[in-house]
Amino acid sequence: KQEVTQIPAALSVPEGENLVLNCSFTDSAIYNLQWFRQDPGKGLTSLLLIQSSQREQTSGRLNASLDKSSGRSTLYIAASQPGDSATYLCASSDSNYQLIWGAGTKLIIKP
Amino acid sequence: GAGVSQSPRYKVAKRGQDVALRCDPISGHVSLFWYQQALGQGPEFLTYFQNEAQLDKSGLPSDRFFAERPEGSVSTLKIQRTQQEDSAVYLCASNTMIGDGTEAFFGQGTRLTVV
Repeated sequence: KQEVTQIPAALSVPEGENLVLNCSFTDSAIYNLQWFRQDPGKGLTSLLLIQSSQREQTSGRLNASLDKSSGRSTLYIAASQPGDSATYLCASSDSNYQLIWGAGTKLIIKP
Repeated sequence: GAGVSQSPRYKVAKRGQDVALRCDPISGHVSLFWYQQALGQGPEFLTYFQNEAQLDKSGLPSDRFFAERPEGSVSTLKIQRTQQEDSAVYLCASNTMIGDGTEAFFGQGTRLTVV
C-alpha cells in the first residue's frame, strides 16, 4: 500500500528565503504526483502536477521535482513571501484517480 | 459553474443525527471524488464516481456512509447516525476525465462537527 510522508511537519522561515519542502512515497509505480496548497478555511488549490514520465514542473516561483527511483519529490519556493504561508500537501496517484496524501507541511513566512 | 461548490460550509450535528453534504462539481466534469480530512492530517479517499456510476467506494469507513450522484452532476454524501469520530472536513473534487493527466479541482469543503 502506498504511503506518502512529508517532512518537516512545520517550517518557519524569514521572508525572502528560498526553501524546499520534501515528499517521499514508498511505491514508485505512480501515475503522477501533485502538490497542493491549503489555506485555513479554504479548499485545496493545485499548484503543480508532475506526470510519472516528467522530472520537474515550474510555475512562477515554484518548482517541483520528481525522482521516482528514490521515491522523492521536492517543492522549491524561491524568494518566499508572507502570502506563501499555508499548508502544502503532496499526493500521489497510482491508480489513475485515487490520490494518496501526505499529512502536509505547515509553512510560516515571517515578515 | 466557475468552481466546485460544497454546501453547507459548516455543519454541527448532534451525535446520532443524520447529515447530508452536497457537492456541485464543475459543469461537464465526468469524475467526482469525496475525501475526508481529519484535523492535522492529509485527506483520505472515500469514494469515486464516473458520471452517475460509483466505481469505487472502498474508502467509505462504515455502512453509515452513503454517496450518490444520480444524474451524473451533483453528488450527496450522507452520513447516518453520526458519531464523534466522523468530525472532519469533507472535500469534494471533480475532474474532466480519469487518466488524462489533469489535476482535480477541489471545493472548499464542509467542516462537520459532531457533538
